[in-house]
Amino acid sequence: GAGVSQSPRYKVAKRGQDVALRCDPISGHVSLFWYQQALGQGPEFLTYFQNEAQLDKSGLPSDRFFAERPEGSVSTLKIQRTQQEDSAVYLCASSLAGGVTYEQYFGPGTRLTVT
Amino acid sequence: AQSVAQPEDQVNVAEGNPLTVKCTYSVSGNPYLFWYVQYPNRGLQFLLKYITGDNLVKGSYGFEAEFNKSQTSFHLKKPSALVSDSALYFCAVSPSDYKLSFGAGTTVTVRA
Repeated sequence: GAGVSQSPRYKVAKRGQDVALRCDPISGHVSLFWYQQALGQGPEFLTYFQNEAQLDKSGLPSDRFFAERPEGSVSTLKIQRTQQEDSAVYLCASSLAGGVTYEQYFGPGTRLTVT
Repeated sequence: AQSVAQPEDQVNVAEGNPLTVKCTYSVSGNPYLFWYVQYPNRGLQFLLKYITGDNLVKGSYGFEAEFNKSQTSFHLKKPSALVSDSALYFCAVSPSDYKLSFGAGTTVTVRA
């Protein structure tokens, strides 16, 4: 079956531009996560949704970052006024439900380069 | 704070030899530990996890990991490595019951 998909796969933005990154989770998966992976580092948690509810946004680095999942399926991560330090791979993951017993399935990521 | 450390940036082994990728953890309470693998231009793939129960956990592609509470370790092992095992491996811990906290990763190269 289809896995987690993300679009675009690559995005180049000029500093100061706004960007929107899309995540299509596996159908039926209740939980959705966003992670940020800087070059040479492990992924770092950004935010967590259960259905349409954003239950944890403690990892969002600044108020320029905003995530939504209005209908409990597709999610969008928006970054306003991009800065060079925002350059990273943004990973989306989904799982059947919350809790560590449920495996997180990751998408291929969106590589954002801010010039 | 809960975290994991991967002390080796790179591991190089010959095909057919045993492969070990090290991970140590620091948690308060019961640790929930995971291993993921990342191939170029592909998403992270789940290998195995330890939640509770047997200390030896078996996972995908012939990998296994041993939870050692006294040494606070969760090393990933494979008895006989394949060239196709060459990838980036991440250890992770769950500080809550949902989000993952990853190590910096270990690049494994298996030479033919």
